[in-house]
Amino acid sequence: DAGVIQSPRHEVTEMGQEVTLRCKPISGHNSLFWYRQTMMRGLELLIYFNNNVPIDDSGMPEDRFSAKMPNASFSTLKIQPSEPRDSAVYFCASSRDVYGNTIYFGEGSWLTVV
Amino acid sequence: DAKTTQPTSMDCAEGRAANLPCNHSTISGNEYVYWYRQIHSQGPQYIIHGLKNNETNEMASLIITEDRKSSTLILPHATLRDTAVYYCIVRASNFGNEKLTFGTGTRLTIIP
Repeated sequence: DAGVIQSPRHEVTEMGQEVTLRCKPISGHNSLFWYRQTMMRGLELLIYFNNNVPIDDSGMPEDRFSAKMPNASFSTLKIQPSEPRDSAVYFCASSRDVYGNTIYFGEGSWLTVV
Repeated sequence: DAKTTQPTSMDCAEGRAANLPCNHSTISGNEYVYWYRQIHSQGPQYIIHGLKNNETNEMASLIITEDRKSSTLILPHATLRDTAVYYCIVRASNFGNEKLTFGTGTRLTIIP
């Protein structure tokens, strides 16, 4: 079975540009999570969805970040405008349902903002 | 969320059992203990989880103390590919609190 698929795997962009990260969860999973990992802050949850509805977005840093899940098989995380401090690895993860089931992670999108 | 305490780093000889401890003294009755690992440059990988009974799968064993305040992850025959950061996480099972909150983990190095 295909795992969580993220794109792009690597992106280098200039400060001020819009960045869109994409995620395809595992088929049949109805919870989706976006995490960010930096050396300073480790792995931190940005937002998660259940049945395409945002449940907890308390980790979203500021208004420059937005996430959408228009359907069960696709989600985006957008940064506009991007800043150098947004440089990080962004992970998408999914699980079958929210009650104690395993969360599976993608391989991440490595973002560098210069 | 219940917090966990893990050693910052550990070494283990290849072929030996690696025993990774975790303290979670404030764990609640509906919280599971999960273990994930992250090999350099990869996404976190699920290893095992449990509520109160010991668990075993093809990757590892999880031993949870009777009072549930601590646990140990056991990799029975460590290989070089087991070198990674291992995260012990307590996770609620009620709606709205199911997220995984990662700490700093234990950096396990398998020595040839």
